[in-house]
Amino acid sequence: HLVESGGGVVRPGESLRISCEASGFILGSYSMSWVRQVPGKGLEWVSGISSGSTSKYYAESVKGRFTISRDNADNSLYLEMNSLRPEDTALYYCARTTSYFDYIDYWGQGTLVTVSS
Amino acid sequence: QSVLTQPPSVSAAPGQKVTISCVGSTSNIGNNYVSWYQQLAGTAPKLLIFDNNRRPSGIPDRVSGSKSGTSATLDITGLQAGDEAHYYCATWDGSLTRMVFGGGTKLTVL
Repeated sequence: HLVESGGGVVRPGESLRISCEASGFILGSYSMSWVRQVPGKGLEWVSGISSGSTSKYYAESVKGRFTISRDNADNSLYLEMNSLRPEDTALYYCARTTSYFDYIDYWGQGTLVTVSS
Repeated sequence: QSVLTQPPSVSAAPGQKVTISCVGSTSNIGNNYVSWYQQLAGTAPKLLIFDNNRRPSGIPDRVSGSKSGTSATLDITGLQAGDEAHYYCATWDGSLTRMVFGGGTKLTVL
């Protein structure tokens, strides 16, 4: 299971950290990703992190503003989002990914982030 | 504009076959595995196909995938009402160094 939390309503320019708690498997054995979806629109891969945190990847739209991290001992994944914009409004999914980001085999139910003044 | 191009919509009658295409380039589909996801209304996506043509446990064999060059295809035969959903292809893009998704295809079962 993957359970996201931390979503909410924030104003443009503010920051927010969302979390994902994993259960039923050892988080440290997998790469992980965040994928977002604007309601009614398609999927956008936001960021990914390797199992040991040595490699981190970001979509161009969030590079320099978002930071992905993980705590394998705590079985948790995080996404720190700074300088939020209205276009960041979306449902953010936590997703278990293969080592080389070939595919996503498990998805959480998502946490909604709304950026609005 | 998505890196991977899918038709916005496809439709077919129950029992028929539908094909969904996914067109990319050498930096993504041409040199990496393709996966497919089904998203039913109001739910999280679900993995249908990985490594171009492999099905996870529980996915019926009337669902199949293939890849040729810089394009991939998802086939669903024996269409059922429950197949009505959005379908997305995805792969790694070595030039962009990120996963990329297609824009999604809405399947309507007539």
